[in-house]
Amino acid sequence: SQQGEEDPQALSIQEGENATMNCSYKTSINNLQWYRQNSGRGLVHLILIRSNEREKHSGRLRVTLDTSKKSSSLLITASRAADTASYFCAPTNTGGFKTIFGAGTRLFVKA
Amino acid sequence: GAGVSQSPRYKVAKRGQDVALRCDPISGHVSLFWYQQALGQGPEFLTYFQNEAQLDKSGLPSDRFFAERPEGSVSTLKIQRTQQEDSAVYLCASSLDASASIGYTFGSGTRLTVV
Repeated sequence: SQQGEEDPQALSIQEGENATMNCSYKTSINNLQWYRQNSGRGLVHLILIRSNEREKHSGRLRVTLDTSKKSSSLLITASRAADTASYFCAPTNTGGFKTIFGAGTRLFVKA
Repeated sequence: GAGVSQSPRYKVAKRGQDVALRCDPISGHVSLFWYQQALGQGPEFLTYFQNEAQLDKSGLPSDRFFAERPEGSVSTLKIQRTQQEDSAVYLCASSLDASASIGYTFGSGTRLTVV
């Protein structure tokens, strides 16, 4: 099993600013995924980065992975009010299953 | 189907009642997970299936919780003699393969309220 721990717990920014969230984990991974959860809904898969990748982009999202530090970051550029949600990282072990989620980062984007 | 479907969307149960929550994963997805999420918390792992085999049920909080996936597709999470502390959102997720090489797809969850 593998748990991701997100930091900070909460983040409040103005619309248009960038938001950075961090994730740390403990053991070797196969890949690491980031998810978003709007209040009262299921988790939505945002982006997956493999252990042999260092950076990945998808639209306004940028994910970095540093396997030597066992950490990842999610950057949302030019944030919008609609980005208000909780964000979770999910590191997946080699061998795969039982991903354990942390408490997430609650992002609030003020219009 | 196109996504993971969970039913019912909402369930109110009287304390002591049995409930059954259903998950329809994406067709062909090998792996299926159940998570429990309390308000303001992250999802807590309950159990994991690879096809019809339940490979890990270490997260089930008590023997009142039981999950099955008899034909390797639809899964049911059953909670017997519900208690107030069982009130939570129950999330189901599936992935194409055992190593989640393209990530998990989550359903919208079943919100269970025990009164």
